[in-house]
Amino acid sequence: DQQVKQNSPSLSVQEGRISILNCDYTNSMFDYFLWYKKYPAEGPTFLISISSIKDKNEDGRFTVFLNKSAKHLSLHIVPSQPGDSAVYFCAAPNPPPFGNEKLTFGTGTRLTIIP
Amino acid sequence: DGGITQSPKYLFRKEGQNVTLSCEQNLNHDAMYWYRQDPGQGLRLIYYSQIVNDFQKGDIAEGYSVSREKKESFPLTVTSAQKNPTAFYLCASSNPRDRGGETQYFGPGTRLLVL
Repeated sequence: DQQVKQNSPSLSVQEGRISILNCDYTNSMFDYFLWYKKYPAEGPTFLISISSIKDKNEDGRFTVFLNKSAKHLSLHIVPSQPGDSAVYFCAAPNPPPFGNEKLTFGTGTRLTIIP
Repeated sequence: DGGITQSPKYLFRKEGQNVTLSCEQNLNHDAMYWYRQDPGQGLRLIYYSQIVNDFQKGDIAEGYSVSREKKESFPLTVTSAQKNPTAFYLCASSNPRDRGGETQYFGPGTRLLVL
């Protein structure tokens, strides 16, 4: 059972426009979410996170929105740049009362920025 | 520089052979993890360790073994029992007890190919 889902395997966006990557989850107990960015043949790098007590978190060009009632989060990148071309994973740690040491990852969305 | 190193970058395995992938971190993190990534799939957890001399199976532990004799090191052995070992292997670490400790930091990965 895929508890964290990224239903779009790929997305292409013109340079300078907004990229929106989506993630859905099924476990309503998840209370923290992370986004990772991954280039080919490299390890993922942490991008941004959000706690369930917030509905938005912003860091430079990256903003994550959380809609708890819909069990949906999205990552907005604006303006999109060629270096943003990568695979993006959303992830969620085990909710309480379990330890937060395990992350459940989505299957990823490959973002391609078109110059 | 603090970080996670994995070696080798590429590894070739013959049929019936055991191979060991190295993972070292100097971040002073308590927890370490091994993931496997296959094309078009997310990251699947193989094993994780929260403390020295202790480790737990992840979602796909069959055919793999680990040890955690030192805090800095978490080697993964791919045994001959793993029938489909060709994949990209990622090691990560975190400090779950820290604020923001859900964030895992990844090494550069090892690509394992079967001859």
